[in-house]
Amino acid sequence: GAGVSQSPSNKVTEKGKDVELRCDPISGHTALYWYRQSLGQGLEFLIYFQGNSAPDKSGLPSDRFSAERTGGSVSTLTIQRTQQEDSAVYLCASSLGSSGVAKNIQYFGAGTRLSVL
Amino acid sequence: AQSVTQLDSHVSVSEGTPVLLRCNYSSSYSPSLFWYVQHPNKGLQLLLKYTSAATLVKGINGFEAEFKKSETSFHLTKPSAHMSDAAEYFCVVSDRNKAAGNKLTFGGGTRVLVKP
Repeated sequence: GAGVSQSPSNKVTEKGKDVELRCDPISGHTALYWYRQSLGQGLEFLIYFQGNSAPDKSGLPSDRFSAERTGGSVSTLTIQRTQQEDSAVYLCASSLGSSGVAKNIQYFGAGTRLSVL
Repeated sequence: AQSVTQLDSHVSVSEGTPVLLRCNYSSSYSPSLFWYVQHPNKGLQLLLKYTSAATLVKGINGFEAEFKKSETSFHLTKPSAHMSDAAEYFCVVSDRNKAAGNKLTFGGGTRVLVKP
């Protein structure tokens, strides 16, 4: 079956522009997560959705970052007024649920590589 | 709070020899522990997971890991390395705290080089 799909795979933007990154989770997965992978910081959690709600936004680095999820499916991560330090690979993961042994396994997309010039 | 330390940033092995990747964790709750692998320009793939059923966990591609609570360790091993094992490996912890929604905390990664 289809895995987690992210688009675009690569995005180059100019400093100060806004960008939107999209994540299509595995069908039926209620939990969705965004992570960021950068050279300096490694892999770090950004935000977690259960359905359309975001109970944990603690990893968003600034108020320039926001995310939403609609229909319990597709999620969009938006970065406003991009800065060079936002350059990273943004990874999306989904899981069947958020509790229970089998349900909490997260499956990752291939990521969006963002380059801010 | 949870954290993960991978003790080696790089490991170099010869093909056919054993691989050992070391990981120590800290967690406020009873943790779930995972190893993920990332091949160049690819997404993260789950190798194996520990969820308290058994302390020795077998994963894909001949990898296994042993959970040692007294040492707070979860080291990954493979008896015989293959060229295709060259990749970056991440040790990951997830607190079983419903409020945290099973968000993952990653170690810094260990890059494995396999020499012919």
